[in-house]
Amino acid sequence: VQLVESGGGVVQPGGSLRLSCIVSGFTFRDYGMHWVRQAPGKGLEWLTFIRYDGSSENYAASVKGRFTISRDNSKNTLYLQMSSLRPEDTAVYYCAKSCSIGSCYPDYWGQGTLVTVSS
Amino acid sequence: DIVMTQTPLSSPVTLGQPASISCRSSQSLVHSDGNTYLSWLQQRPGQPPRLLIYKISNRFSGVPDRFSGSGAGTDFTLKISRVEAEDVGVYYCMQVTQFPITFGQGTRLEIK
Repeated sequence: VQLVESGGGVVQPGGSLRLSCIVSGFTFRDYGMHWVRQAPGKGLEWLTFIRYDGSSENYAASVKGRFTISRDNSKNTLYLQMSSLRPEDTAVYYCAKSCSIGSCYPDYWGQGTLVTVSS
Repeated sequence: DIVMTQTPLSSPVTLGQPASISCRSSQSLVHSDGNTYLSWLQQRPGQPPRLLIYKISNRFSGVPDRFSGSGAGTDFTLKISRVEAEDVGVYYCMQVTQFPITFGQGTRLEIK
């Protein structure tokens, strides 16, 4: 099982960024997926979840209305579209595989991609 | 939201000695399906999190048997029977019983 995030970088406050997570080693379309972030030197913060077929999403209050999770099962890819970015969104962003089609504990994690929001 | 509270926040341990971390949730983690979705994660320095324990007491694939989980309802414990050098890092409890998914603050395990 491999999950590889990409798309991180430096963005100005108010800007947008799209993260991608390409997976391999399991049947992507059969599992829900999560995004979790970790600000520098801080703990883990769950952001969002999407069901295996994209039929349902859930968001943390801190990102609801600004971030959108999506997936392309034909490309084995998970996305996180981030807009109206704030300095407090600076963090390493991890994608993680859910243990089932629905929300479940994340059992495999990517290495993360760093997003820095700064002018 | 369910608040997860870990104690201690820092745990200096001697190699070969046991270690224990507690996690308390602000409400019961028993799901309507009867399962309790309490997990423990390990994050070694510079590494992503790694699943250790799921549904209170089930060790994930490849996790050494010196790690064990226990508890019920709102009180849970992670135990390491004999700490090894590779166990250094931060340990998090997390609940996925209810959205939003929440984590404990993390407990830093260090060697004395």
